[in-house]
Amino acid sequence: SAVISQKPSRDICQRGTSLTIQCQVDSQVTMMFWYRQQPGQSLTLIATANQGSEATYESGFVIDKFPISRPNLTFSTLTVSNMSPEDSSIYLCSVENRALDLRPRAFFGQGTRLTVV
Amino acid sequence: QKEVEQDPGPLSVPEGAIVSLNCTYSNSAFQYFMWYRQYSRKGPELLMYTYSSGNKEDGRFTAQVDKSSKYISLFIRDSQPSDSATYLCAMMQTGANNLFFGTGTRLTVIP
Repeated sequence: SAVISQKPSRDICQRGTSLTIQCQVDSQVTMMFWYRQQPGQSLTLIATANQGSEATYESGFVIDKFPISRPNLTFSTLTVSNMSPEDSSIYLCSVENRALDLRPRAFFGQGTRLTVV
Repeated sequence: QKEVEQDPGPLSVPEGAIVSLNCTYSNSAFQYFMWYRQYSRKGPELLMYTYSSGNKEDGRFTAQVDKSSKYISLFIRDSQPSDSATYLCAMMQTGANNLFFGTGTRLTVIP
């Protein structure tokens, strides 16, 4: 299993500012993902964090708005830039290690509850 | 049309009841089928995982996949108050990265 520590757990931010969310895993994992969960909506994949290279973004998400870093196999950050109230959501980190566990998205962090005012 | 459809509920049942949760989907290429449980203010927890079709049982939980009808189910037997949570279905194609989630069904088990 993998234990994920996601920080901060919640924050209230002013519009126009940026927030960086950290995801730390207690073991090396092959894949790390960032999701957004808005009230009443499905979890939506923002991007796949690639170690040592640029993240792969899904349709509707761009690097300028959601820059992602993944410096090693246990850590990633997601930044929500130039925030507006529409960015208020829960942001979740998810990991998998298909070499050891065939289950996709087997583990999720606790989430970061972001409110933009 | 959404990739995955799930009735949001809410669903309230008495303790001990059998619960049936369902999702339908449109993409016949989906091969991975998952059910997650999410407690309030927590991240999703993978509950059941099925590859391709068939049934899978784990304790009080049974997952069923009917690919001909594009329909998956999660059954909870002898439901407990601790089962009160939101249940999310999710599915994915082989070789893809994007896991498509339902919107979740909120379940309350009343003691």
